[in-house]
Amino acid sequence: EVQLVESGGGLAQPGGSLRLSCIASGFPLSSHAMNWVRQAPGKGLEWVSYISTSGDLIYYADSVKGRFTISRDDAKNSLYLQVNSLRADDTAVYYCARGLYIYAYSPWGQGTLVTVSS
Amino acid sequence: DIQLTQSPSFLSASVGDRVTITCRASQGISNYLAWYQQKPGKAPTLLIYAASTLQSGVPSRFSGSGSGTEFSLTISSLQPEDFATYYCHQLNSFPRTFGQGTKVEIK
Repeated sequence: EVQLVESGGGLAQPGGSLRLSCIASGFPLSSHAMNWVRQAPGKGLEWVSYISTSGDLIYYADSVKGRFTISRDDAKNSLYLQVNSLRADDTAVYYCARGLYIYAYSPWGQGTLVTVSS
Repeated sequence: DIQLTQSPSFLSASVGDRVTITCRASQGISNYLAWYQQKPGKAPTLLIYAASTLQSGVPSRFSGSGSGTEFSLTISSLQPEDFATYYCHQLNSFPRTFGQGTKVEIK
């Protein structure tokens, strides 16, 4: 079964850091571009970051640029998001999602909740 | 950045109704558009990609159409399990963007 499982979320103080992980199973991560998408409580979906299959192309939303870093370890079938300088408006469920060719994201993980509060 | 505007934002319908949701892009995106369904507390799931291609395993009552700047998602006969929030998503350029969502509720 193709599956993505995120972890690493939790409560962080403003200015703090977390490292989110996404472990893939049922397919080789190396064959797919990967993405992070977040959803603030009660709000819509917001794209956060993209990494290409080789890792040489990386993009970020302006709202996280300079604070978040996406990376991948294909040997561990894992995707990561290092989130630094956290702000209250970073509070959200963070989903990892596999790129389906260039046309969509599928599947998505179940999400990991990041709460930024003092 | 490409903005996606969905309409309506909220829709009240009955089981068996035909429902159409539209998504307008602020500039042309060819057919680089996907549609997702999200139920409360769950991750989004893919319904349609490349504007009109049905994802494997998705019921045929779902269909998508459009190209350029105007797109639509149609549910031909609404079923109880279809009550959810639907999002369009453009993959033409970075930053990727989503529509604001359309919540479909039971009338």
